[in-house]
Amino acid sequence: GNSVTQMEGPVTLSEEAFLTINCTYTATGYPSLFWYVQYPGEGLQLLLKATKADDKGSNKGFEATYRKETTSFHLEKGSVQVSDSAVYFCALTPSNTGNQFYFGTGTSLTVIP
Amino acid sequence: ETGVTQTPRHLVMGMTNKKSLKCEQHLGHNAMYWYKQSAKKPLELMFVYSLEERVENNSVPSRFSPECPNSSHLFLHLHTLQPEDSALYLCASSQDQVAPYQPQHFGDGTRLSIL
Repeated sequence: GNSVTQMEGPVTLSEEAFLTINCTYTATGYPSLFWYVQYPGEGLQLLLKATKADDKGSNKGFEATYRKETTSFHLEKGSVQVSDSAVYFCALTPSNTGNQFYFGTGTSLTVIP
Repeated sequence: ETGVTQTPRHLVMGMTNKKSLKCEQHLGHNAMYWYKQSAKKPLELMFVYSLEERVENNSVPSRFSPECPNSSHLFLHLHTLQPEDSALYLCASSQDQVAPYQPQHFGDGTRLSIL
């Protein structure tokens, strides 16, 4: 079946620290992969995406590379800011349909000054 | 105007009340979704509509009744809810098409509290 596993939180970092949030997936074929971010009191916003192996999605200093060999899509940022404090969700849509989405459980990030 | 708009943002209701949540998308998408987000639990998919047809119902109790009158609007009718139904209800939309598959766009949710 299809599933997404991401690292448990919460994660607390100091400002300007390096961030990695791990995400691995199980899917047949070549799914599309996404990272979403949810700020307090808001819905989920698409942060970045990758639709094929070795693609790198990037946005707002965040990056993630679609690794088919390790079935991973880890989120990274070189220098986090207080404003990055949010919950981050890894998600996939399978290769055979455009209306099914599978989400990880979310990882809460708090960045302290 | 934001892409996906949900109303109301907050709703408090008794267990015997009937209310409806509304979602409207201005993105020209053809698929819409309802999710339930509870504290400390994974995001739960409730219903999926594609081209105004329900394509998925994830064993949701009948006290939740979805309605999709057109591709831009989605409703969730609530009736005789339980305290455990208190949660954030998120609506999303996407363009259901052949690959490359498109991401979902979410509204800000309705925070529902059942007394």
